[in-house]
Order: sequence, then structure tokens, then C-alpha cells
Amino acid sequence: SQQGEEDPQALSIQEGENATMNCSYKTSINNLQWYRQNSGRGLVHLILIRSNEREKHSGRLRVTLDTSKKSSSLLITASRAADTASYFCATAFNNAGNMLTFGGGTRLMVKP
Amino acid sequence: EAGVAQSPRYKIIEKRQSVAFWCNPISGHATLYWYQQILGQGPKLLIQFQNNGVVDDSQLPKDRFSAERLKGVDSTLKIQPAKLEDSAVYLCASSRGRQPYYEQYFGPGTRLTVT
Repeated sequence: SQQGEEDPQALSIQEGENATMNCSYKTSINNLQWYRQNSGRGLVHLILIRSNEREKHSGRLRVTLDTSKKSSSLLITASRAADTASYFCATAFNNAGNMLTFGGGTRLMVKP
Repeated sequence: EAGVAQSPRYKIIEKRQSVAFWCNPISGHATLYWYQQILGQGPKLLIQFQNNGVVDDSQLPKDRFSAERLKGVDSTLKIQPAKLEDSAVYLCASSRGRQPYYEQYFGPGTRLTVT
């Protein structure tokens, strides 16, 4: 089974709305990363949050990490049609080099 | 800088045939990864190289899959013989090093269909 599990599996919103995706994982991590994948640009790294960080921002993206609950959330504010894609969380464990374990993804559709 | 290059982009083969995928990582990246992504799922790591050595291949089905990175740059992934369940996108990624804070850069992938 995969380490990270995203929730919801699919999300449909209108342009301008905010989108929130959640990720849960099972064991201690070094960091957690979020990736976006669409047919045009492949898999693209969005943001990395370390285990000792609680929140991180990058443009319209906000990521939170709660290590006590083993969960993370990705918030996309003021969504655009171009944000339509699948979003994956990936976890990197301590003492495991840079091997990432991906979740199953959230498929986001932003309607214009 | 140029991104991770992969070829071919698409491949259709019959079961029991063999197939090979090629990856050229970003220049200077010591660490190279192969992932398998089945439709509707997240990528699954198959093998990780550090320069020309294997770091981890615990999830590589070694009875049919093999991979090499002979000169520490390009890499090939081979499947022989292919099964229907091998239909997937095979992604190659590279990073500067093995430390977990290094970002991985992904190639466009090779979509394999086994009939």
C-alpha cells in the first residue's frame, strides 16, 4: 500500500474558489512534498515542507504539516482553470536517502 | 538548463516481448530514479542509482525488470518478458544528490501499453 493517501480523490470547483487537498501518512518522515501532474507538463514539484516546519507558502499555495496527526494539507487560493491537474503528496523518510513514496493523488478540476 | 529526457514517449508491444526505455538526467545530477505509474495511481519507485551504483531496487521485479547506469549518466530500464500488468507510464527523475531535501526533477515519461 502507498504511504500517503490523499483526500478527496476528486474535487471540482469554480474558478476563483479555493481548493483544499489533504494527505495522511503512516510513519515518521524527513519531509513531505507536493507535486502536480497534468498531460502538458508531466510531474512538477510544487513545495517541500520539512518535518520541523508547520506551514509554508509559495505564491497561491499554502501547505501545512501536522506531524502529531501525520497529515498535511495543500491549499490553492483563487484557483484558475490552469490549476486543473492531479496533485500528489510524497513523503521522504529519515535514513532512506531521497526515496519518495507517493500517494494516490487528488484529481482537481477547475471550471471556468 | 535542459530537463530530464526520456525516449521513446510511447510504446506498444505484445505480452512476452521485450522493451527498453532510455533516460538522460539533468547534467550534474548524481542521483537517478525510475518510477512506474499505473493509470489512476501515484508513481511507485522501482530503482534508485547514485552515480553508477544501485542504492535501492527493493521494488523492482527482478525476474523481468533490469536497469543500468553504466557511466553514471544515462540509464536504461528493460522489461523482458512483458506482462499485461506492466502497462503504465515509466518516469525517470534525477536530483543533485541523495539527501532528502534535494528536489527531484521528472521527465515526461514513456507510456507503455502491453497487449
